[in-house]
Amino acid sequence: QVQLQESGPGLVKPSQTLSLTCTVSGDSISRGSYYWSWIRQPAGKRLEWIGRISAGGSTDYNPSLKSRLTISRDSSKNQFSLKLTSLIAADTAVYYCARENGYTDYYNFDRWGQGTRVAVSS
Amino acid sequence: DIQMTQSPSSLSASVGDRVIIPCRASQNIGRSLSWYQQKPGKAPQLLIYAAFTLQSGVPSRFSASGSGTDFTLTISSLQPEDFATYYCQQSHRLPSTFGQGTRLEVK
Repeated sequence: QVQLQESGPGLVKPSQTLSLTCTVSGDSISRGSYYWSWIRQPAGKRLEWIGRISAGGSTDYNPSLKSRLTISRDSSKNQFSLKLTSLIAADTAVYYCARENGYTDYYNFDRWGQGTRVAVSS
Repeated sequence: DIQMTQSPSSLSASVGDRVIIPCRASQNIGRSLSWYQQKPGKAPQLLIYAAFTLQSGVPSRFSASGSGTDFTLTISSLQPEDFATYYCQQSHRLPSTFGQGTRLEVK
């Protein structure tokens, strides 16, 4: 059974950098037709796709965040990470990591972490 | 970006009701549409992908239809555990985008 678990700080100051890690168990992040994604959800709002890293290590970012965003991976630890710089209050949200399944040619997020709440505040 | 619109934002229904939840895309997305259920404080769960394919383990009272720009999720006989928020999501073009959600409430 594939499981994903986010970890990182719950509170970050404005203008600082957010670093989150997703640890995957039950599957290899370097295998197959999967992408490993970050998605966030501000309180009471819709889900927002942040970006992803492929099994081969290539990345795609949401253009609205691209200038502040880096997604990377550590295959030896089966982890992938998010770094978001120059934080503002609007970055306050629950951050999810998720597996994006591309095996059927119709991509979908079939496994999710439980989410980690991040507040941007001084 | 492709805009996903879900209207209404909330629906009231009773156990046993048949419920239809619509979703519209701002441009043709073919069958690249998924549906998710989210309960308070929990991560979304995949219900449907490729517009109408039921994810493994999802009860058969859930079904979906549509292609192009107009899609629907149907719950044939509402159960108590189905009161939640439902999101549609397009994967036709990056960035992937979600609808604003339809909250299913007890009438």
